[in-house]
Amino acid sequence: GAGVSQSPSNKVTEKGKDVELRCDPISGHTALYWYRQSLGQGLEFLIYFQGNSAPDKSGLPSDRFSAERTGGSVSTLTIQRTQQEDSAVYLCASSPRTGDYEQYFGPGTRLTVT
Amino acid sequence: EDQVTQSPEALRLQEGESSSLNCSYTVSGLRGLFWYRQDPGKGPEFLFTLYSAGEEKEKERLKATLTKKESFLHITAPKPEDSATYLCAAFVGNNRKLIWGLGTSLAVNP
Repeated sequence: GAGVSQSPSNKVTEKGKDVELRCDPISGHTALYWYRQSLGQGLEFLIYFQGNSAPDKSGLPSDRFSAERTGGSVSTLTIQRTQQEDSAVYLCASSPRTGDYEQYFGPGTRLTVT
Repeated sequence: EDQVTQSPEALRLQEGESSSLNCSYTVSGLRGLFWYRQDPGKGPEFLFTLYSAGEEKEKERLKATLTKKESFLHITAPKPEDSATYLCAAFVGNNRKLIWGLGTSLAVNP
């Protein structure tokens, strides 16, 4: 079946611009997670959704980062006024529900801020 | 503070040379220990979940085991296609998210 998809696969943007990253989870998965992965660093948790609600936003690095999920499906991560330190791979994962269940990852969006 | 540490950081094996990767954890209230494989330019791919000490799971040349302090990923007679970064993560019940290790980069030479 279809896995988690993310778009775009690559995004190059100028410092100060806003970007939107999209995630389409596996159909029927109610839990959705956003992570950031930088070279030489582990996966950094950003936010998770249960349905359309985000019970835990504790990982968002600053108020320039926001995310939403609509219809219990597609999610968008928005970064406003991008900075060079935002450059990383942004990964999305979905799971049948929150808790100790395996998460299935998309291929990621590589963001480069110049 | 909850922490997951993987060792070694990098490992180079000859094809057929068995070895083990280590994932040690210090967390309060482990609910599950996850192993993933990540190929360059791709997202992590789920391998195993272990829930209690003494549990073992196998898939092809891989076997994962769990104790109260650490987990091992044993690779038997590896092949070049096993080359990847192997990640482990601990699910901690109270904060309901995964705590990730930095991974072990495995290279298997033919």
